[in-house]
Amino acid sequence: DAGVIQSPRHEVTEMGQEVTLRCKPISGHDYLFWYRQTMMRGLELLIYFNNNVPIDDSGMPEDRFSAKMPNASFSTLKIQPSEPRDSAVYFCASSFLGGGSYNEQFFGPGTRLTVL
Amino acid sequence: AQTVTQSQPEMSVQEAETVTLSCTYDTSESDYYLFWYKQPPSRQMILVIRQEAYKQQNATENRFSVNFQKAAKSFSLKISDSQLGDAAMYFCAYSPSGFGNEKLTFGTGTRLTIIP
Repeated sequence: DAGVIQSPRHEVTEMGQEVTLRCKPISGHDYLFWYRQTMMRGLELLIYFNNNVPIDDSGMPEDRFSAKMPNASFSTLKIQPSEPRDSAVYFCASSFLGGGSYNEQFFGPGTRLTVL
Repeated sequence: AQTVTQSQPEMSVQEAETVTLSCTYDTSESDYYLFWYKQPPSRQMILVIRQEAYKQQNATENRFSVNFQKAAKSFSLKISDSQLGDAAMYFCAYSPSGFGNEKLTFGTGTRLTIIP
């Protein structure tokens, strides 16, 4: 089975531009999580979905950030407009909380975003 | 709110020696899961080992084992016969069990260096 897939792996953009990060969770997983990792703040949960429905977006830093999950196999995280302080590694993770599961989250390889 | 504390920002160990990484957590729950994730320079987050709180037996995965002290709320990771490939950031994470408790709370990480 393929793991969590993220694209692009690297993104360099200029301040003010729109950035879209993409994620394909593991097939059959019913939860999807978006994280941001920086040296200063560590690993932060931005938002997560259950069965394509956003459950908790309290970690989304501000209105410039938005996330969608139009179907069970695809999610996007959009930043518009982007700012230099958004530079970070963004991870997508998925999990399955069926019977016998352990709340284990499987992470994608991350997208390194640089905003100039 | 649950918290996870890793008090060792950096650790180093000689190759082939044993090292222990510390983690403490705070919770009022009686049933929960604990995890150690590894993040090598490739930045991929990889699950190393997990522990269910209701199990008294400490989890073991090859050279990796944990010392789970429920009363003390301590969850340390022991790496035996350290190898160069073990060099990475290690994150301790906590999650309550059961539906409605999908989020992981991460510690700030410990950077492990292996000395050849």
